[in-house]
Amino acid sequence: GENVEQHPSTLSVQEGDSAVIKCTYSDSASNYFPWYKQELGKRPQLIIDIRSNVGEKKDQRIAVTLNKTAKHFSLHITETQPEDSAVYFCAASLGPYYGGSQGNLIFGKGTKLSVKP
Amino acid sequence: GAVVSQHPSRVICKSGTSVKIECRSLDFQATTMFWYRQFPKQSLMLMATSNEGSKATYEQGVEKDKFLINHASLTLSTLTVTSAHPEDSSFYICSADAIAGFEQYFGPGTRLTVT
Repeated sequence: GENVEQHPSTLSVQEGDSAVIKCTYSDSASNYFPWYKQELGKRPQLIIDIRSNVGEKKDQRIAVTLNKTAKHFSLHITETQPEDSAVYFCAASLGPYYGGSQGNLIFGKGTKLSVKP
Repeated sequence: GAVVSQHPSRVICKSGTSVKIECRSLDFQATTMFWYRQFPKQSLMLMATSNEGSKATYEQGVEKDKFLINHASLTLSTLTVTSAHPEDSSFYICSADAIAGFEQYFGPGTRLTVT
C-alpha cells in the first residue's frame, strides 16, 4: 500500500522567512496530493492541493510542487506569519476513480511549524 | 462550501460501555465516508472506509467488531466504539467526499475519553 514520509517533523522560522515541508510517496499510481493545516484540537483544513497532471500550484503565499518521477511533493510558505504556526500534514491518494471507488488519503506524520515574531 | 458535522464533539464514558459517533454531510451527498483516529501529537490514521449501503472496509489492525460502522444513507455514517477501554481514548475524525470528487471534507472531530 501507499506510504507517505514527511520531513521535517518540526520547523521553526522567523516571521517573514520562508518555510518548506517535503513529502515523498511510494505508490506511483497516487494522483492527488493535498496539504492540510491543523490547529490544536481542530479539524484538518485543506490549504492547497495538487493533482498529478500539474507540476506546480500557487495560492498567494502558499505553493506546492510535485515531482512525479521522484515521487515527492513540497509545500512552500513565503512571508510566514505567526498565525501560520500549526501542524501541517501532507497526504496522497489514488483519487476517486481508482478501481471505481473513492481513494483513501494516506497522511504523513506531520510537521509542527512555529513562526517566531 | 461542503460542510461535515460530527456529534458529539466530546464524550466521556466508563470503561466497558459503548459510544456512538455520528458523521453527517450537511449540504452534499457523500458516496464515501472515512473514519480516522488521531492520538495526541500524532498523524491521522485511517481506520475504515464506508460506502453507503455496503459493509465498511477496515484498515489492517482495526477490529471491525469493536469499531462498528454503519453508513445508512448518503449523508450519515456512524461509528460505534463497543466495550470501550481507556486505550480507545482518542480524537476521532470523519471525512466525506462528494460523488466523483477528489477533496475530502473533514468533520470537527470527537474527543473520546474512556475512564
